[in-house]
Amino acid sequence: EAGVTQFPSHSVIEKGQTVTLRCDPISGHDNLYWYRRVMGKEIKFLLHFVKESKQDESGMPNNRFLAERTGGTYSTLKVQPAELEDSGVYFCASSQGLAVGRETQYFGPGTRLLVL
Amino acid sequence: ILNVEQSPQSLHVQEGDSTNFTCSFPSSNFYALHWYRWETAKSPEALFVMTLNGDEKKKGRISATLNTKEGYSYLYIKGSQPEDSATYLCASLGAGSYQLTFGKGTKLSVIP
Repeated sequence: EAGVTQFPSHSVIEKGQTVTLRCDPISGHDNLYWYRRVMGKEIKFLLHFVKESKQDESGMPNNRFLAERTGGTYSTLKVQPAELEDSGVYFCASSQGLAVGRETQYFGPGTRLLVL
Repeated sequence: ILNVEQSPQSLHVQEGDSTNFTCSFPSSNFYALHWYRWETAKSPEALFVMTLNGDEKKKGRISATLNTKEGYSYLYIKGSQPEDSATYLCASLGAGSYQLTFGKGTKLSVIP
């Protein structure tokens, strides 16, 4: 079974540009999560989808971040315009949804974003 | 405790030594605790999901215990091997929330 995949693995952009990150969850997983790790800090929650609906987006830093999950399959996270402080590793995770919170969240390898 | 805290931040052990580290989390409104093993540039690998006070889980040479009343979990590695070198992350989840709150991790280096 394929795991969670993320694209691209790395992205280097200039301040003010737009970047779109993609996450493909494990097939059949209704729950999809985005997290971010800024260098030297802990991994922090951004938002949670159940199928195509945003269940919780309280962790999104500001309105420069837009996440979508059209059709309830893959998800995209767009940062527009990017700022220096957006640099970090963006992780996506998915889970089945049978026991949310008490079931394993499977993580992708992350997208390393560097904003110059 | 308001945040998830892990200690030590890093440690070096000799191959064959056993080691353990700590995760402290808010005990009020506790729902679940997750442990992950993370090698940089790879996906964090799920180790355990723990929910019950007194729970103990084991996976090979790695085991974990949970005390929800006092808000801590220990992760033990028996007979450390170089391939155990990684950052070990714990994350707690409170009732009514789907957000994992992570600690900063414990970076383990096993010296051959």
